[in-house]
Amino acid sequence: DAGITQSPRHKVTETGTPVTLRCHQTENHRYMYWYRQDPGHGLRLIHYSYGVKDTDKGEVSDGYSVSRSKTEDFLLTLESATSSQTSVYFCAISAGTGAFGIYFGEGSWLTVV
Amino acid sequence: GENVEQHPSTLSVQEGDSAVIKCTYSDSASNYFPWYKQELGKRPQLIIDIRSNVGEKKDQRIAVTLNKTAKHFSLHITETQPEDSAVYFCAASIKTGNQFYFGTGTSLTVIP
Repeated sequence: DAGITQSPRHKVTETGTPVTLRCHQTENHRYMYWYRQDPGHGLRLIHYSYGVKDTDKGEVSDGYSVSRSKTEDFLLTLESATSSQTSVYFCAISAGTGAFGIYFGEGSWLTVV
Repeated sequence: GENVEQHPSTLSVQEGDSAVIKCTYSDSASNYFPWYKQELGKRPQLIIDIRSNVGEKKDQRIAVTLNKTAKHFSLHITETQPEDSAVYFCAASIKTGNQFYFGTGTSLTVIP
C-alpha cells in the first residue's frame, strides 16, 4: 500500500466547531486530493493540490478549505462543521499527470452531531 | 467538469458467472480510466486501468474495454468468486490538472 496516513481516523464533533483532517504521505508525490464518500454519491472531489501552496477546488468545495505547506502534508479544514458534512473522508495521492493511478488513504470517519 | 455515469448500481451474479459494469464519460479530454474495488470499511484500491490509446486490457479474470468514440468503458469479471463481492468504482482522469472523477459505484454480490 502507498504510504498515506490520515488522522484522525474517527472523530465526533459538534455542529459549529472547526475540524481539521490531516493527510501525510511518504511517497513524495506531487498531487494530493481530498474526497468525501457518501451513499449514492460515490467519491466526490473536495479539493486537490498540485504542489506546495498550489491548490484548487473540486466539485463539492463549499464549507471546506485546504492547505499544503509541505509536499508530504495536505490539511482539510471544516471551518464550522455542519451535519451535512458527516461523511467518510479519503485522502489520495498521485504521481503525475494523465496515466497514473490515484491511491487512497484509509479514510477518516467524521460525525457531526 | 467531467461527468462519469456508472451502471448498474447493484449487481448479483452466481459464482462462476461473468459480471459487467459499464461507465460513460462526458469530456473527450479524459485520457485515463482506472477501476477501483472497495470492500466494506476499507479504502478503494486500484485493480486495473486503461489508457486512451488502448482499446482493451486484461489481467487474469479482469478485463477493461474502452470505446473512445462512444465515450464508454466497461469492467468485465469472469469466473466470479465470492471474494469478488465489493463495491466497484470507475473513474476518468483528464491529464490537465490530473483530476479524477468517479462514478457512483456498483455493489457486486457473488452468490455461492
